[in-house]
Amino acid sequence: KQEVTQIPAALSVPEGENLVLNCSFTDSAIYNLQWFRQDPGKGLTSLLLIQSSQREQTSGRLNASLDKSSGRSTLYIAASQPGDSATYLCAVAYNQGGKLIFGQGTELSVKP
Amino acid sequence: EAGVAQSPRYKIIEKRQSVAFWCNPISGHATLYWYQQILGQGPKLLIQFQNNGVVDDSQLPKDRFSAERLKGVDSTLKIQPAKLEDSAVYLCASSGAGARHEQYFGPGTRLTVT
Repeated sequence: KQEVTQIPAALSVPEGENLVLNCSFTDSAIYNLQWFRQDPGKGLTSLLLIQSSQREQTSGRLNASLDKSSGRSTLYIAASQPGDSATYLCAVAYNQGGKLIFGQGTELSVKP
Repeated sequence: EAGVAQSPRYKIIEKRQSVAFWCNPISGHATLYWYQQILGQGPKLLIQFQNNGVVDDSQLPKDRFSAERLKGVDSTLKIQPAKLEDSAVYLCASSGAGARHEQYFGPGTRLTVT
């Protein structure tokens, strides 16, 4: 069964810290992996997409890595800010244009 | 470029009533997805369309849920009759051509069944 797991479920850090969110998937034959941000009561905002042939993607203070062989991805957030507080979701697709299989998310709180 | 549009944003109904949600994808996007997100969980696919044809509806409770995408653009998702466990956020997403097939999500419709 294809499953995605995110650890931890919740994380609270002081402003300015660097932090890592973890995502693991059971079937390593992925097509791509996306990281999303979800603010309370809102939809999903795509942060980064990593193709199966790539090892990492960067956007501003965000860096996502992919290790297919171990079935893991990490989202690194540098110099965290209170505005980064949100739920972060990891999702994988197993074929081109196929459905996304989501983890349950990590709820991040950055304290001023 | 306009994003994925959904309406209504919120809906409260009683169990056994019917409800419909509407989605307008990003212009030119051939693939449209409906996901259900229950509180505290990640979204799960209900149905996927490629133009106006169904690609995957294996997780759609077909005894009460239906969806259509006429003319390959807008889509509607209907629930009839609703149950308490249908309370969730219903998210619509779309993706276009190209190798990335990145999915873009709308703001969602929050449904409460009482």
